[in-house]
Amino acid sequence: EVQLMESGGGLVQPGGSLRLSCAVSGFTLVSHAMSWVRQGPGKGLEWVSAISAGGGSTYYADAVKGRFTISRDNSKDTIYLQMNSLRLEDTAVYYCARQPKAYCSAGSCQFDSWGQGTLVTVSS
Amino acid sequence: DIQMTQSPSSLSASVGDRVTITCRAGQSISKYLNWYQQKPGKAPKLLIYDASSLQGGVPSRFSGSGSGTDFTLTISSLHPEDFAAYYCQQSYITPFTFGPGTKVDIK
Repeated sequence: EVQLMESGGGLVQPGGSLRLSCAVSGFTLVSHAMSWVRQGPGKGLEWVSAISAGGGSTYYADAVKGRFTISRDNSKDTIYLQMNSLRLEDTAVYYCARQPKAYCSAGSCQFDSWGQGTLVTVSS
Repeated sequence: DIQMTQSPSSLSASVGDRVTITCRAGQSISKYLNWYQQKPGKAPKLLIYDASSLQGGVPSRFSGSGSGTDFTLTISSLHPEDFAAYYCQQSYITPFTFGPGTKVDIK
């Protein structure tokens, strides 16, 4: 069974940092690109970042570029999202999501499995 | 960035109704349009990918169509468990963008 489990969320002050983790099981992580998607309270879905299967290619939404860094450790079946310089508007549930191909910057790059999400609250 | 719009933003329907949700992209995205269902407090679930391909395990009452800029999600006969929010998403190019969502509730 495919499983994704996020962790690392919590309360942080504006300007602070947080690192999210997503541990996966039930599939071969090295065969899949992965993404982070967030959802603010009462809001819609917003794609945040993606990483290729080998980790050599990364992509970011403009809203987080220069502040967030996506990475992965395939030996640990885990992907990460390092979030720095956090802002009030970064408050959201953060989901990790699997994509069907090793490289997924365009084309058939749907999010076919999702974790349950981890809540990040940025507040003073 | 490719802007995605959805209509309606919400609708009320009854069990057994046929429901259609429309999604429009700000430029052509070929067939690279995906549909998700989200229930309150839960993660989204992929229903349809590449405009018309049914994700494994998804009931056949869900179907998708369209290409270019205009797409539709159809639920042929609404079941009680289908009351949820539905989002379209383009994967034509990064940044991947979602529509604002359509909430389907009980009439």
